[in-house]
Amino acid sequence: GQSLEQPSEVTAVEGAIVQINCTYQTSGFYGLSWYQQHDGGAPTFLSYNGLDGLEETGRFSSFLSRSDSYGYLLLQELQMKDSASYFCAVRDDRRAGSYQLTFGKGTKLSVIP
Amino acid sequence: DTEVTQTPKHLVMGMTNKKSLKCEQHMGHRAMYWYKQKAKKPPELMFVYSYEKLSINESVPSRFSPECPNSSLLNLHLHALQPEDSALYLCASSQTQRGTSYEQYFGPGTRLTVT
Repeated sequence: GQSLEQPSEVTAVEGAIVQINCTYQTSGFYGLSWYQQHDGGAPTFLSYNGLDGLEETGRFSSFLSRSDSYGYLLLQELQMKDSASYFCAVRDDRRAGSYQLTFGKGTKLSVIP
Repeated sequence: DTEVTQTPKHLVMGMTNKKSLKCEQHMGHRAMYWYKQKAKKPPELMFVYSYEKLSINESVPSRFSPECPNSSLLNLHLHALQPEDSALYLCASSQTQRGTSYEQYFGPGTRLTVT
Protein backbone atom coordinates (compact mmCIF):
# COMPACT_ATOMS: atom_id res chain seq x y z
CA GLY A 1 0.00 0.00 0.00
CA GLN A 2 0.89 3.64 0.11
CA SER A 3 1.29 5.80 3.20
CA LEU A 4 2.73 9.17 4.22
CA GLU A 5 3.34 10.23 7.80
CA GLN A 6 3.89 13.77 9.03
CA PRO A 7 3.21 15.38 12.41
CA SER A 8 -0.30 16.75 12.74
CA GLU A 9 0.65 19.95 14.56
CA VAL A 10 3.79 21.98 15.27
CA THR A 11 4.15 25.23 17.21
CA ALA A 12 7.19 27.48 16.92
CA VAL A 13 8.26 30.96 17.91
CA GLU A 14 8.58 33.83 15.47
CA GLY A 15 12.15 34.12 14.21
CA ALA A 16 12.97 30.50 15.03
CA ILE A 17 13.61 27.48 12.77
CA VAL A 18 11.19 24.60 12.40
CA GLN A 19 11.52 21.25 10.64
CA ILE A 20 8.53 19.26 9.41
CA ASN A 21 9.30 15.63 8.73
CA CYS A 22 7.64 13.31 6.25
CA THR A 23 8.11 9.57 5.88
CA TYR A 24 6.54 7.65 3.06
CA GLN A 25 5.88 4.23 1.66
CA THR A 26 4.95 3.90 -1.98
CA SER A 27 5.82 2.05 -5.12
CA GLY A 28 7.13 3.78 -8.20
CA PHE A 29 8.47 6.73 -6.22
CA TYR A 30 9.61 9.72 -8.27
CA GLY A 31 9.95 12.54 -5.78
CA LEU A 32 8.57 14.54 -2.89
CA SER A 33 6.79 17.89 -3.12
CA TRP A 34 5.80 20.32 -0.41
CA TYR A 35 2.73 22.55 -0.45
CA GLN A 36 1.52 25.31 1.87
CA GLN A 37 -2.14 26.00 2.48
CA HIS A 38 -3.46 28.88 4.57
CA ASP A 39 -6.89 28.50 6.15
CA GLY A 40 -9.50 29.16 3.48
CA GLY A 41 -6.85 29.29 0.76
CA ALA A 42 -5.56 27.09 -2.01
CA PRO A 43 -2.45 24.90 -1.77
CA THR A 44 0.67 26.63 -3.03
CA PHE A 45 3.73 24.78 -4.31
CA LEU A 46 6.85 25.32 -2.20
CA SER A 47 9.50 22.82 -3.21
CA TYR A 48 10.30 19.53 -4.93
CA ASN A 49 13.02 16.95 -4.40
CA GLY A 50 13.47 14.40 -7.15
CA LEU A 51 16.97 13.48 -6.04
CA ASP A 52 18.60 13.02 -2.65
CA GLY A 53 19.84 16.14 -0.96
CA LEU A 54 18.87 19.63 -0.03
CA GLU A 55 16.95 22.16 -2.12
CA GLU A 56 16.92 25.76 -0.91
CA THR A 57 14.43 28.45 -1.87
CA GLY A 58 14.81 31.55 0.23
CA ARG A 59 13.78 30.87 3.83
CA PHE A 60 12.52 27.40 2.93
CA SER A 61 14.63 24.30 2.32
CA SER A 62 13.59 20.74 1.60
CA PHE A 63 15.55 17.54 1.96
CA LEU A 64 15.10 14.03 0.63
CA SER A 65 16.71 10.70 1.43
CA ARG A 66 15.35 8.07 -0.91
CA SER A 67 17.15 5.26 0.90
CA ASP A 68 15.39 6.20 4.15
CA SER A 69 12.04 7.08 2.48
CA TYR A 70 12.24 10.33 4.38
CA GLY A 71 12.13 14.01 3.71
CA TYR A 72 11.70 17.25 5.57
CA LEU A 73 10.78 20.88 5.06
CA LEU A 74 12.86 23.42 6.95
CA LEU A 75 11.50 26.88 7.57
CA GLN A 76 13.93 29.51 8.83
CA GLU A 77 13.37 32.97 10.31
CA LEU A 78 9.76 32.11 10.96
CA GLN A 79 7.19 34.83 10.37
CA MET A 80 3.60 35.02 11.57
CA LYS A 81 2.43 34.63 7.97
CA ASP A 82 4.03 31.16 7.90
CA SER A 83 1.18 29.90 10.09
CA ALA A 84 -0.51 27.45 7.73
CA SER A 85 -0.86 23.77 6.93
CA TYR A 86 2.06 22.12 5.17
CA PHE A 87 1.57 19.00 3.08
CA CYS A 88 4.18 16.63 1.79
CA ALA A 89 3.12 14.89 -1.39
CA VAL A 90 4.75 11.92 -3.07
CA ARG A 91 4.93 11.82 -6.82
CA ASP A 92 4.71 8.24 -7.88
CA ASP A 93 4.06 6.15 -10.91
CA ARG A 94 2.45 3.22 -9.15
CA ARG A 95 0.09 3.03 -12.10
CA ALA A 96 2.28 3.27 -15.16
CA GLY A 97 2.11 6.73 -16.65
CA SER A 98 0.19 8.28 -13.76
CA TYR A 99 2.92 10.48 -12.19
CA GLN A 100 0.29 11.56 -9.73
CA LEU A 101 0.61 13.37 -6.42
CA THR A 102 -0.68 11.84 -3.23
CA PHE A 103 -0.79 14.21 -0.27
CA GLY A 104 0.06 13.50 3.33
CA LYS A 105 -2.43 14.46 6.03
CA GLY A 106 -0.76 17.79 6.61
CA THR A 107 1.03 19.54 9.45
CA LYS A 108 -0.61 22.58 10.97
CA LEU A 109 2.12 25.06 11.88
CA SER A 110 1.32 27.75 14.40
CA VAL A 111 3.85 30.57 14.75
CA ILE A 112 3.59 32.42 18.04
CA PRO A 113 5.14 35.80 18.98
CA ASP B 1 -0.28 34.95 -15.66
CA THR B 2 0.10 32.15 -13.10
CA GLU B 3 -3.53 32.05 -12.09
CA VAL B 4 -6.08 29.29 -12.08
CA THR B 5 -9.62 30.60 -11.76
CA GLN B 6 -12.66 28.69 -10.56
CA THR B 7 -16.34 29.52 -10.61
CA PRO B 8 -18.48 29.66 -8.63
CA LYS B 9 -16.73 30.31 -5.31
CA HIS B 10 -19.65 28.89 -3.36
CA LEU B 11 -22.44 26.54 -4.43
CA VAL B 12 -25.40 25.19 -2.54
CA MET B 13 -27.38 22.49 -4.31
CA GLY B 14 -30.06 19.98 -3.54
CA MET B 15 -29.65 16.30 -4.12
CA THR B 16 -31.76 16.41 -7.27
CA ASN B 17 -30.02 19.37 -8.87
CA LYS B 18 -27.57 19.43 -11.76
CA LYS B 19 -24.77 21.96 -11.62
CA SER B 20 -21.32 22.48 -13.08
CA LEU B 21 -18.04 23.72 -11.68
CA LYS B 22 -15.71 25.57 -14.02
CA CYS B 23 -11.94 25.97 -14.05
CA GLU B 24 -9.75 28.01 -16.38
CA GLN B 25 -6.02 28.54 -16.80
CA HIS B 26 -4.07 30.51 -19.39
CA MET B 27 -0.57 29.31 -18.57
CA GLY B 28 -0.44 26.90 -21.50
CA HIS B 29 -0.50 23.95 -19.13
CA ARG B 30 -1.48 20.64 -20.68
CA ALA B 31 -2.40 18.75 -17.50
CA MET B 32 -5.40 19.66 -15.38
CA TYR B 33 -6.68 18.09 -12.19
CA TRP B 34 -9.75 17.93 -9.98
CA TYR B 35 -9.30 17.38 -6.26
CA LYS B 36 -11.78 17.08 -3.42
CA GLN B 37 -10.81 18.43 0.00
CA LYS B 38 -12.74 17.96 3.20
CA ALA B 39 -12.10 20.19 6.20
CA LYS B 40 -8.76 19.55 7.91
CA LYS B 41 -7.92 16.82 5.36
CA PRO B 42 -5.53 16.73 2.42
CA PRO B 43 -6.63 17.18 -1.18
CA GLU B 44 -7.75 13.87 -2.74
CA LEU B 45 -7.24 13.37 -6.44
CA MET B 46 -10.40 12.76 -8.46
CA PHE B 47 -9.50 13.17 -12.14
CA VAL B 48 -6.53 14.05 -14.32
CA TYR B 49 -6.68 15.32 -17.88
CA SER B 50 -3.55 15.24 -20.00
CA TYR B 51 -3.64 16.95 -23.39
CA GLU B 52 -7.42 17.16 -23.09
CA LYS B 53 -7.77 13.41 -22.60
CA LEU B 54 -8.92 11.79 -19.37
CA SER B 55 -5.82 10.19 -17.93
CA ILE B 56 -6.83 9.20 -14.42
CA ASN B 57 -10.22 8.57 -12.84
CA GLU B 58 -9.73 7.68 -9.20
CA SER B 59 -12.84 5.48 -9.05
CA VAL B 60 -15.02 8.54 -8.60
CA PRO B 61 -18.80 7.93 -8.51
CA SER B 62 -20.57 8.60 -11.79
CA ARG B 63 -22.53 11.47 -10.24
CA PHE B 64 -19.32 13.44 -10.89
CA SER B 65 -18.62 13.85 -14.60
CA PRO B 66 -15.51 15.71 -15.79
CA GLU B 67 -15.13 17.43 -19.13
CA CYS B 68 -12.19 19.16 -20.80
CA PRO B 69 -13.57 21.23 -23.72
CA ASN B 70 -10.16 22.65 -24.62
CA SER B 71 -6.66 23.02 -23.22
CA SER B 72 -7.62 25.98 -21.00
CA LEU B 73 -10.93 24.81 -19.57
CA LEU B 74 -11.98 22.07 -17.22
CA ASN B 75 -15.51 21.41 -16.03
CA LEU B 76 -16.95 19.15 -13.37
CA HIS B 77 -20.61 18.29 -13.89
CA LEU B 78 -22.55 17.36 -10.77
CA HIS B 79 -25.77 15.39 -10.63
CA ALA B 80 -27.70 13.69 -7.85
CA LEU B 81 -25.06 14.43 -5.24
CA GLN B 82 -25.18 13.27 -1.64
CA PRO B 83 -24.66 15.39 1.49
CA GLU B 84 -21.30 13.65 2.04
CA ASP B 85 -20.13 15.19 -1.25
CA SER B 86 -20.05 18.58 0.46
CA ALA B 87 -16.42 19.72 0.30
CA LEU B 88 -14.00 22.16 -1.29
CA TYR B 89 -13.40 21.22 -4.92
CA LEU B 90 -10.01 22.31 -6.16
CA CYS B 91 -8.83 22.57 -9.72
CA ALA B 92 -5.11 22.51 -10.49
CA SER B 93 -2.86 22.54 -13.51
CA SER B 94 0.74 21.70 -14.36
CA GLN B 95 2.81 22.09 -17.50
CA THR B 96 2.49 18.40 -18.22
CA GLN B 97 1.45 15.31 -16.30
CA ARG B 98 4.58 13.27 -16.97
CA GLY B 99 7.20 15.96 -16.63
CA THR B 100 5.98 18.41 -14.00
CA SER B 101 3.04 17.04 -12.06
CA TYR B 102 5.09 17.72 -8.92
CA GLU B 103 4.46 21.47 -9.37
CA GLN B 104 0.77 22.13 -9.57
CA TYR B 105 -0.96 25.46 -9.55
CA PHE B 106 -4.23 25.41 -7.66
CA GLY B 107 -7.31 27.55 -8.07
CA PRO B 108 -9.11 28.99 -5.03
CA GLY B 109 -11.69 26.22 -5.09
CA THR B 110 -15.47 25.95 -5.08
CA ARG B 111 -17.01 25.34 -1.68
CA LEU B 112 -19.92 22.99 -2.34
CA THR B 113 -22.73 22.31 0.08
CA VAL B 114 -25.26 19.59 -0.75
CA THR B 115 -28.54 19.87 1.13
